[in-house]
Amino acid sequence: GAVVSQHPSRVICKSGTSVKIECRSLDFQATTMFWYRQFPKKSLMLMATSNEGSKATYEQGVEKDKFLINHASLTLSTLTVTSAHPEDSSFYICSASGTGTTGELFFGEGSRLTVL
Amino acid sequence: GENVEQHPSTLSVQEGDSAVIKCTYSDSASNYFPWYKQELGKRPQLIIDIRSNVGEKKDQRIAVTLNKTAKHFSLHITETQPEDSAVYFCAALNQAGTALIFGKGTTLSVSS
Repeated sequence: GAVVSQHPSRVICKSGTSVKIECRSLDFQATTMFWYRQFPKKSLMLMATSNEGSKATYEQGVEKDKFLINHASLTLSTLTVTSAHPEDSSFYICSASGTGTTGELFFGEGSRLTVL
Repeated sequence: GENVEQHPSTLSVQEGDSAVIKCTYSDSASNYFPWYKQELGKRPQLIIDIRSNVGEKKDQRIAVTLNKTAKHFSLHITETQPEDSAVYFCAALNQAGTALIFGKGTTLSVSS
């Protein structure tokens, strides 16, 4: 299957700093990428959907200015958690769908963010 | 928007028994229903999926059934093994057909 790589896998930062997480599709062009957030023992909560070259579509309740998403190319999307606070600590996971696929998602490894 | 309900939240079975997880969805226009398995600290992995033009699909010990009229679909695992222990998520494609909406997950524990 298609490969999606996410980096970093773990990050610890101080409160008030910004953290960038990268999501790359390695062997296919990802026309659409999705960012999910997962709390311990909880489900995957869709945060936003991004299409290459256009602004991301955020789900209700997700702060656009807090979680900046950029999808500048068909193989790379980034999520920047700005001015992170302890409540932003979570597991963030990206996924991508490629051209010619309907619905099937390929997930990155996930990034565990801990804000001190 | 699409809403996906999943039951049960936890399921414990003995090795060799069958396990069934059920999901309902709200948007009758949804036409793609995947199931993902997630082991602790790892990414979700697609294990089986079904599209709305099919009522049942099977892959070795795993099967999925879909009832479009009732808007529910189920995952069936037969002859369970300890390595089947994980969290299972069902999902449905949202109304716009642009994103997967996940159920809350079922923690399956298979004891030997």
